[in-house]
Amino acid sequence: QQQVKQSPQSLIVQKGGISIINCAYENTAFDYFPWYQQFPGKGPALLIAIRPDVSEKKEGRFTISFNKSAKQFSLHIMDSQPGDSATYFCAAVNSGGSNYKLTFGKGTLLTVNP
Amino acid sequence: GEEVAQTPKHLVRGEGQKAKLYCAPIKGHSYVFWYQQVLKNEFKFLISFQNENVFDETGMPKERFSAKCLPNSPCSLEIQATKLEDSAVYFCASSQPAGASHEQYFGPGTRLTVT
Repeated sequence: QQQVKQSPQSLIVQKGGISIINCAYENTAFDYFPWYQQFPGKGPALLIAIRPDVSEKKEGRFTISFNKSAKQFSLHIMDSQPGDSATYFCAAVNSGGSNYKLTFGKGTLLTVNP
Repeated sequence: GEEVAQTPKHLVRGEGQKAKLYCAPIKGHSYVFWYQQVLKNEFKFLISFQNENVFDETGMPKERFSAKCLPNSPCSLEIQATKLEDSAVYFCASSQPAGASHEQYFGPGTRLTVT
């Protein structure tokens, strides 16, 4: 049972364009939703995170949109750059369950063409 | 330190051999998590610690995997009698005490190849 579904599996965007990655979750107990960026051969790096009490969070070129009723959240990368080419993972945490483990989506390979 | 450190970077073991991986969390972080990333990028949670105590071990294949976080020592993940299917990158992550941010910071990983 996949608790966090991520799409698309891969995405190609032109430099300057907007990259959009979507995630949906089943468990309504999830209460913290981070996005991680991973370059080949490296560990995941935390990009931005949101809690369900807000519908949007923006940090620089990265924005998370959150729809609690639909149980969906998405990452938008504005003015995408070739250096943004990486694999992006959404994740969810049930802190109320007191285990804090990350439940990851399967990842989206983003390629930004120059 | 300010980063999660993992050693070794690469580890090659013949099937049936033992493998031991190490993780030093960020100083001041009291939670340590181990994740396994297999082909096609999927992450699987293995185990977490709160200081030296096991916090959640629901992801651990207990018959061959064990882990420890002892005071003043790196945390370790040990696989007895490795199998081909254990080939993966093993990541350690650490986070601050409960009540603070849930942000988990990952190390660079250990790539285990079982031949």
